[in-house]
Amino acid sequence: GAVVSQHPSRVICKSGTSVKIECRSLDFQATTMFWYRQFPKQSLMLMATSNEGSKATYEQGVEKDKFLINHASLTLSTLTVTSAHPEDSSFYICSAPWATNYGYTFGSGTRLTVV
Amino acid sequence: QKEVEQDPGPLSVPEGAIVSLNCTYSNSAFQYFMWYRQYSRKGPELLMYTYSSGNKEDGRFTAQVDKSSKYISLFIRDSQPSDSATYLCAMTPGGSEKLVFGKGTKLTVNP
Repeated sequence: GAVVSQHPSRVICKSGTSVKIECRSLDFQATTMFWYRQFPKQSLMLMATSNEGSKATYEQGVEKDKFLINHASLTLSTLTVTSAHPEDSSFYICSAPWATNYGYTFGSGTRLTVV
Repeated sequence: QKEVEQDPGPLSVPEGAIVSLNCTYSNSAFQYFMWYRQYSRKGPELLMYTYSSGNKEDGRFTAQVDKSSKYISLFIRDSQPSDSATYLCAMTPGGSEKLVFGKGTKLTVNP
């Protein structure tokens, strides 16, 4: 149980285009979704926290107009990278808490390459 | 000082060795501690979680927490090549607050 399905797993896009990444909670209601970014050989860096039905909270230094987060339902949260640039190439991972205090489940990640 | 410090390694051990992975933290608000394993280009998977100071064992894995020293450890006994991965410590104050991760330690277990 407590599965988060993340799609796509890999995407290549051209500079200037937008890319949408979806995370769906399959067997629980995800009122909160965390979005992380991970560069090679580095740890997960929290980008933003989304709560169903309200605006996302972005970490310092993360451009909210560039990384649009929508959490319109209890089972779906999306991250849209707008006007992508090569420096946006990274591994993006979502995570949702399903049990209080320690139950965080992660998506399988999306490798974005901007060419 | 970062909230969570973890030696990134890399760490290379022979098969069957005991592996010790460690993290220190500075925020005394952290009450829940987790260890995640991440294979290359995959999402992290939860290995162990602990709350109390002391040891928690699950098969070949033992998680240890010392809240007074703000120090947590993960021990892997009889390490296997399949244990080769990056191990991330993570912690939170609780209540489904955001996790704060260490840098991760890359482990290679050689056959």
